[in-house]
Amino acid sequence: GENVEQHPSTLSVQEGDSAVIKCTYSDSASNYFPWYKQELGKGPQLIIDIRSNVGEKKDQRIAVTLNKTAKHFSLHITETQPEDSAVYFCAAIRPYGNNRLAFGKGNQVVVIP
Amino acid sequence: DAGVIQSPRHEVTEMGQEVTLRCKPISGHNSLFWYRQTMMRGLELLIYFNNNVPIDDSGMPEDRFSAKMPNASFSTLKIQPSEPRDSAVYFCASSLALAGGGPNTGELFFGEGSRLTVL
Repeated sequence: GENVEQHPSTLSVQEGDSAVIKCTYSDSASNYFPWYKQELGKGPQLIIDIRSNVGEKKDQRIAVTLNKTAKHFSLHITETQPEDSAVYFCAAIRPYGNNRLAFGKGNQVVVIP
Repeated sequence: DAGVIQSPRHEVTEMGQEVTLRCKPISGHNSLFWYRQTMMRGLELLIYFNNNVPIDDSGMPEDRFSAKMPNASFSTLKIQPSEPRDSAVYFCASSLALAGGGPNTGELFFGEGSRLTVL
């Protein structure tokens, strides 16, 4: 099955700086890659996703890039703000068949004011 | 819509007791997922249902765990008997999967979780 790994496990950044989280996946058939944000005491929430037919997608201060050859994708947060402090999960899934989203173990991002 | 609703939010019980966690998915969603979250293992998929039918229960740790979905608006996850190692946050999530085996959309809507502590 799919195996997703995230690095680093914890990331501290100064407010206003950029944060980058990287994920690698193992199943070359995976074609959908979402990122979820989990705030303290809440469930994860989808913040951005990308499909394998594009290399980059942006939404305001958040962007995701995908390298299918190397089987890795990254989340970029620019101009970080205190409310960006959370745990971020990447995931991957195949286009058809078992609807089983494989999550990484999460990255704790801490934005220092 | 109120989103995915889970109850209880917190449960503290003693080893050996039965625990029942409840979930109401978003109306109109046809897939429901139960996840367990711990520091060591992250988010683990326990089981998921499509149109109320269990599709993949390979993540259920052992026979002490069981899940049901009697209708489209309700699901339960039961642990009997509970053990201290079951302590975790249990999340329910729902999604709208396309009919006829179409492409997996992947977007899940999570509830706020049920924090279980087994003493």
